[in-house]
Amino acid sequence: SQQGEEDPQALSIQEGENATMNCSYKTSINNLQWYRQNSGRGLVHLILIRSNEREKHSGRLRVTLDTSKKSSSLLITASRAADTASYFCATRDSGGYQKVTFGIGTKLQVIP
Amino acid sequence: NAGVTQTPKFQVLKTGQSMTLQCAQDMNHNSMYWYRQDPGMGLRLIYYSASEGTTDKGEVPNGYNVSRLNKREFSLRLESAAPSQTSVYFCASSEPLRTNYPYNEQFFGPGTRLTVL
Repeated sequence: SQQGEEDPQALSIQEGENATMNCSYKTSINNLQWYRQNSGRGLVHLILIRSNEREKHSGRLRVTLDTSKKSSSLLITASRAADTASYFCATRDSGGYQKVTFGIGTKLQVIP
Repeated sequence: NAGVTQTPKFQVLKTGQSMTLQCAQDMNHNSMYWYRQDPGMGLRLIYYSASEGTTDKGEVPNGYNVSRLNKREFSLRLESAAPSQTSVYFCASSEPLRTNYPYNEQFFGPGTRLTVL
């Protein structure tokens, strides 16, 4: 079963608007990561937030983490057409496994 | 630095045929992974190798075998391909999570599109 579940599954916005994607997970985690996948390509790591962090920024990206609600959000500000991609959250659980579990993803379309 | 490379990029098999997907990384990472990606399912872990010499099953290992040939290479074998194995396969690598290195972002290859007829 999927650990992370993104919401919404699809999002369409105009260039310049902000895009917000949410991720919920089920178990205790060590960290949560967000990845981007352009059509036909592999995933690219965007940002990692550790379980003891609440908010993190990287350029136009802002990630929040609420471990009490087992949820995270990814905000992309001032979106560009080049941000069109699928976005996945991935959780690293707090057990001894060296693996990361991915969600189903949010497909973002930014209309020029 | 090529990062993570995968071969082949595309493959068409008939049911019952076998093949090996190759993956190599040049980042000196200890951990490597094989995922499959299907529409509406996200990425599902097939097998992973936490370090050279070790392999473990992931979420969907049935029908697959793996070999961690050395630190650089991690191959995925389909012994008898089935139509249900039609998918896009991704290899990834990372450093393992450690107390003094709490970041284990994964680096992905470009994928192999496999069709089983």
